[in-house]
Amino acid sequence: DQQVKQNSPSLSVQEGRISILNCDYTNSMFDYFLWYKKYPAEGPTFLISISSIKDKNEDGRFTVFLNKSAKHLSLHIVPSQPGDSAVYFCAARLDNYGQNFVFGPGTRLSVLP
Amino acid sequence: GAGVSQTPSNKVTEKGKYVELRCDPISGHTALYWYRQSLGQGPEFLIYFQGTGAADDSGLPNDRFFAVRPEGSVSTLKIQRTERGDSAVYLCASSPYWESGELFFGEGSRLTVL
Repeated sequence: DQQVKQNSPSLSVQEGRISILNCDYTNSMFDYFLWYKKYPAEGPTFLISISSIKDKNEDGRFTVFLNKSAKHLSLHIVPSQPGDSAVYFCAARLDNYGQNFVFGPGTRLSVLP
Repeated sequence: GAGVSQTPSNKVTEKGKYVELRCDPISGHTALYWYRQSLGQGPEFLIYFQGTGAADDSGLPNDRFFAVRPEGSVSTLKIQRTERGDSAVYLCASSPYWESGELFFGEGSRLTVL
């Protein structure tokens, strides 16, 4: 029973265009969401986060949108760059349940030059 | 170094053997996590330490898995009687305080059980 889903295993985008990575979750008790980026043979690195009390958070080229009613969040990267090619994981934290972060299976983004 | 350090980076062992994986977190980080990542999947939570104590070990799959953090810094994940299904990348992460939402991951220890 996957609580955090990323239904697109892969995504290809042309350099300079927008990349949109989607994430759906099932547990309404999640209170904090994060995106991590992972390059091969490296550990995941934190990219951006959003609290459940907000619907948007922006950091440079990266924006995360949260739609609580739909239990959906998305990561927008604009403009996309070849260095953005990586696997992106969506993660969620249960409210008041320690620090058990639940990760999605990841989406592999390829930005084509 | 400045980041989370994990050793060994690669470990190949035989079914039934005992394995220890070590994690050295970022200095001053009080929270430490172990995750396991299988091929094509996202990291799966195993255990979380706040200081020396295991605050949440609900992700440990069975009693063959055990982790310690005796002095509140370095942690060791111990796997007894390894099985082929234990093959995965074991990721360690730390964060500066327990409410911090950002985890700093190491590069992982790839365990292969033959």
